[in-house]
Amino acid sequence: QVQLVESGGGVVQPGRSLRLSCAASGFTFSRFGMHWVRQAPGKGLEWVAVIWYDGSDNHYADSVKGRFTISRDDSKNTLYLQMNSLRVEDTAVYYCARDYGPIDYWGQGTQVTVSS
Amino acid sequence: EVVLTQSPATLSLSPGERATLSCRASQSVSNYLAWYQHKPGQAPRLLIYDASNRATGIPDRFSGNGSGTDFTLTISSLEPEDFAVYYCHQRFNWPPLTFGGGTKVEIK
Repeated sequence: QVQLVESGGGVVQPGRSLRLSCAASGFTFSRFGMHWVRQAPGKGLEWVAVIWYDGSDNHYADSVKGRFTISRDDSKNTLYLQMNSLRVEDTAVYYCARDYGPIDYWGQGTQVTVSS
Repeated sequence: EVVLTQSPATLSLSPGERATLSCRASQSVSNYLAWYQHKPGQAPRLLIYDASNRATGIPDRFSGNGSGTDFTLTISSLEPEDFAVYYCHQRFNWPPLTFGGGTKVEIK
């Protein structure tokens, strides 16, 4: 079955960096676009970034553009999110999710807390 | 950016009752509208895609309809496991992909 497992979250000071990973299994990872979506405390879901199935294109929410980078390693079936210049408002649970037209499968998320 | 407005914010109902959730888009999203169920500590679960198609394994008490700017998710008879937060989501006009603010279905 499809599984997406995020890791790499933690507590970090404002201005620092963090890299999230998402290990995929149960499907042919290289055939699917992938997203990162986050949920701040007490808030709804916010889309963060997408990478095409072949890595040829990517897009970002304005709130993270220029600070976050999405990438993938198909040899490891892993999706990444490099987060630089973190801000307090980036505090959230970060989910990776598979694109099947609609987003169909999600991981359980990893918590990122940005605090001094 | 397409803004999705969900109503009501909270729906207080009893098991066995019918739930009707609304999602309104700021501009047409054709039928590229999905619904997700989200419980604390769990992964969101796709219920409905393309406005009215149930995802694999979703019980038929869940149904969706609508097109353009107005959409509805109906749960015909609430089961105890259905109490959760529900989000609508559009993929017609993006980036950015957008989600509604959510409707919490709680036990009355």
